[in-house]
Amino acid sequence: SAVISQKPSRDICQRGTSLTIQCQVDSQVTMMFWYRQQPGQSLTLIATANQGSEATYESGFVIDKFPISRPNLTFSTLTVSNMSPEDSSIYLCSVLGTKGTNEKLFFGSGTQLSVL
Amino acid sequence: GENVEQHPSTLSVQEGDSAVIKCTYSDSASNYFPWYKQELGKRPQLIIDIRSNVGEKKDQRIAVTLNKTAKHFSLHITETQPEDSAVYFCAASRMDSSYKLIFGSGTRLLVRP
Repeated sequence: SAVISQKPSRDICQRGTSLTIQCQVDSQVTMMFWYRQQPGQSLTLIATANQGSEATYESGFVIDKFPISRPNLTFSTLTVSNMSPEDSSIYLCSVLGTKGTNEKLFFGSGTQLSVL
Repeated sequence: GENVEQHPSTLSVQEGDSAVIKCTYSDSASNYFPWYKQELGKRPQLIIDIRSNVGEKKDQRIAVTLNKTAKHFSLHITETQPEDSAVYFCAASRMDSSYKLIFGSGTRLLVRP
């Protein structure tokens, strides 16, 4: 399965600022996603990161707040813009990889974000 | 819209007993159903999955069953051990189109020694 590196692992930020999270995969992958996990909650899909084109956002998430880049098949960034305390969450990238002959979805180690 | 319901939200069992977690999905086009285990402060780890062309899959102490007609799937853990204590999430996806995972709300499993 793919090795997924995510950074930073955690950060504490002031409200009104922005943070960019990076996701690096050790092999080319076709699909990359960004999820949010609010404290004590389940995972919610923010968007699908599309290589070379604009990301596809889920209902309730907009590009101005969560701009996403995916310049190639191994790398993506998620920016959390103009942060407020409500943005305090774990942000996880996910990739479609293979294990044996089957496609599976794997997660990066996550970024724990706290907004003061 | 697409939805996955998961029950129970918490489950406490004695070491050695079995644990069962159940999920129901709404999107009849879903064809892939993974289960993730998340320990405190760690990423979700895929522990087992099942595709819509089979009804049951087993991996050592873990098994998953799928009822496509009823749109139900379940996780079964036998001979539970304290290290099984974690939050378990079910999910549903269309693995031939969007690949998006729709997650259940999670089950906190506590295995008492």
